[in-house]
Amino acid sequence: QVQLQESGPGLVKPSQTLSLTCTVSGGSISSGSYYWSWIRQPAGKGLEWIGRIYTSGSTNYNPSLKSRVTISVDTSKNQFSLKLSSVTAADTAVYYCARDKCNNSGCTRAFDIWGQGTMVTVSS
Amino acid sequence: DIQMTQSPSTLSASVGDRVTITCRASQSISSWLAWYQQKPGKAPKLLIYKASSLESGVPSRFSGSGSGTEFTLTISSLQPDDFATYYCQQYNSYSLTWTFGQGTKVEIK
Repeated sequence: QVQLQESGPGLVKPSQTLSLTCTVSGGSISSGSYYWSWIRQPAGKGLEWIGRIYTSGSTNYNPSLKSRVTISVDTSKNQFSLKLSSVTAADTAVYYCARDKCNNSGCTRAFDIWGQGTMVTVSS
Repeated sequence: DIQMTQSPSTLSASVGDRVTITCRASQSISSWLAWYQQKPGKAPKLLIYKASSLESGVPSRFSGSGSGTEFTLTISSLQPDDFATYYCQQYNSYSLTWTFGQGTKVEIK
């Protein structure tokens, strides 16, 4: 059973770079044709997809965040990571990593496995 | 960008009620539509994918329908465990991006 776990600083200063890592356990990040995504949720608000990475390293980002986001993968550590630069208070949120649900029929473009989420606060 | 409009934003219902939540896309998304349930402090849980496919382990009282621009999530008989917030999510196969609806909070009447 694949599980995801986010990790990283819970407090980031304004204008700095937010860095989070998602560790995949119970399976190899390289096995299958999965996309791995980052999603965030400000307190009391809805969900916002940030971006995704394929195990080959190809990425797609939310156009509203694209200029500040970098997602990378480290297959040797079974991890993928998020960097969000020039953060402001508006980037304060719970950050989730998630996996696209895929089966023998292909990928569904729905997220069936989620991490528990990690709260990141942007404040001086 | 494709915009998702989810309605209602809040829904008050009783145990046993039939509940319907609607999600509309600003342009056709084929069947790339999923529904999630989220409880406070928890990650979202996948209920429905590809508009109408029930995720494994999800009770059959949950169903999804629609294609193109209009989609619905139906709970046939609301149970106490179903009081939560529900989100739709679309995938844009042209821009390769995902967008969530604003959410519907299902409250106890």
